[in-house]
Amino acid sequence: NAGVTQTPKFRVLKTGQSMTLLCAQDMNHEYMYWYRQDPGMGLRLIHYSVGEGTTAKGEVPDGYNVSRLKKQNFLLGLESAAPSQTSVYFCASSALDGEQYFGPGTRLTVT
Amino acid sequence: GENVEQHPSTLSVQEGDSAVIKCTYSDSASNYFPWYKQELGKRPQLIIDIRSNVGEKKDQRIAVTLNKTAKHFSLHITETQPEDSAVYFCAASKDSGAGSYQLTFGKGTKLSVIP
Repeated sequence: NAGVTQTPKFRVLKTGQSMTLLCAQDMNHEYMYWYRQDPGMGLRLIHYSVGEGTTAKGEVPDGYNVSRLKKQNFLLGLESAAPSQTSVYFCASSALDGEQYFGPGTRLTVT
Repeated sequence: GENVEQHPSTLSVQEGDSAVIKCTYSDSASNYFPWYKQELGKRPQLIIDIRSNVGEKKDQRIAVTLNKTAKHFSLHITETQPEDSAVYFCAASKDSGAGSYQLTFGKGTKLSVIP
């Protein structure tokens, strides 16, 4: 039981490049979330999903897209990376009780 | 939307002393209040949570209190140990109706326990 996993762990992009972050969970959770964490800012919700095939916007969705084609996976895409997207990205999943389990994070640098 | 304020931003205590971190929230409909601990370079991990139908919850050395009227909640750590040193985040949320909780986090408190 791996819990929540994220790939890749680290990535460096040039401005304008695109990439996809993958989140996978093996707890059969319905709900999945993407957050970004910046120094002094706490965690901010980017997008979330309440089930397979559904997505919704969070607090800071601009510049990101998501997809949830399979229940266990939640993908976060950056179509044209900008330096302002340099951050640590965390995925989380939860069941009905609301407790969110976080992945190990992806550290992204955009130059 | 929800706004969560967390204080203090840094806190230093002597080993064995107590530590208190306070948060306020703005949305009176919020009903779920978790606290996360994040060690350097690691993922946030839930340490305790409270729902709006109770005023206090304890788990060994950790307790959380909730005042719905004043819209604030606090984390209390007693008999602090060096391994309690970390960044602590409070969060507030309400059930969206679809069963998911969109958490709004405070900006964190860096707790240092001095041996």
